[in-house]
Amino acid sequence: GESVGLHLPTLSVQEGDNSIINCAYSNSASDYFIWYKQESGKGPQFIIDIRSNMDKRQGQRVTVLLNKTVKHLSLQIAATQPGDSAVYFCAESLNDYKLSFGAGTTVTVRA
Amino acid sequence: GAGVSQSPSNKVTEKGKDVELRCDPISGHTALYWYRQSLGQGLEFLIYFQGNSAPDKSGLPSDRFSAERTGGSVSTLTIQRTQQEDSAVYLCASSLAVGQHNEQFFGPGTRLTVL
Repeated sequence: GESVGLHLPTLSVQEGDNSIINCAYSNSASDYFIWYKQESGKGPQFIIDIRSNMDKRQGQRVTVLLNKTVKHLSLQIAATQPGDSAVYFCAESLNDYKLSFGAGTTVTVRA
Repeated sequence: GAGVSQSPSNKVTEKGKDVELRCDPISGHTALYWYRQSLGQGLEFLIYFQGNSAPDKSGLPSDRFSAERTGGSVSTLTIQRTQQEDSAVYLCASSLAVGQHNEQFFGPGTRLTVL
C-alpha cells in the first residue's frame, strides 16, 4: 500500500547548524502535507504545512520544500537549538480528516 | 486556553480486561480524532467524529475497539478483552471542524500497557 515514510530514523546535529529532515511519499494524489514535532511524553505539535500547489513555504526558522516530481518532502530548521530535539513526523492528508504519518525522525541536538 | 486533555495518562491492565480511555477536546472543536502510536512508530488513524457521529470507523483494528462521543464534546475509546498487541500510546486530537485547513491539536496521550 501507499504510505508516507522518512529517509532516516535519526539525525544528530550540532547546535547552531541547519537541520534537514527528509520524507518520501508514494501517494501521488495527496494534496496536503504537514510536519509535526513530538517531544517526549507529549502529543505531536503542528510545525508547518504545505499544499501541493506550492513547492516551498517558510515559517519561523523552518522551511518546508515539496518536490512532487520525485514525491519528496523536506523540513529545514535554521540555527538548530537544543529545544529542537524531538521526533519529527511528516504526514499526508488523504482526505478532509485522515492523516497518514511516517515513522518519524529523531533529531538530537549536540551542544 | 486549555488544550486537549486525556485520561488516564498511563494505564496498566491485564490481558482480557476492558479499558476506557477518555478525551476532552478543546472547547468549541466539533471534530475529534483518535490515533494509536506503537513504540517507535508513526501515528495510525483509528476513528474521527464530526459532532457525535463517526462517519468513518474503518481504522479501528478490530471489533474489540469502539468509540463514542456524547454532547459533541467528551469522547471515550473502549477496548474490550485487551490483548498485548493493544499496548501503545493512544492519542486524541481535535479541530474546529473537519477539513484540511483545520489544524488538529493533539493531547498528551494515554500510554496503555497490557500485561
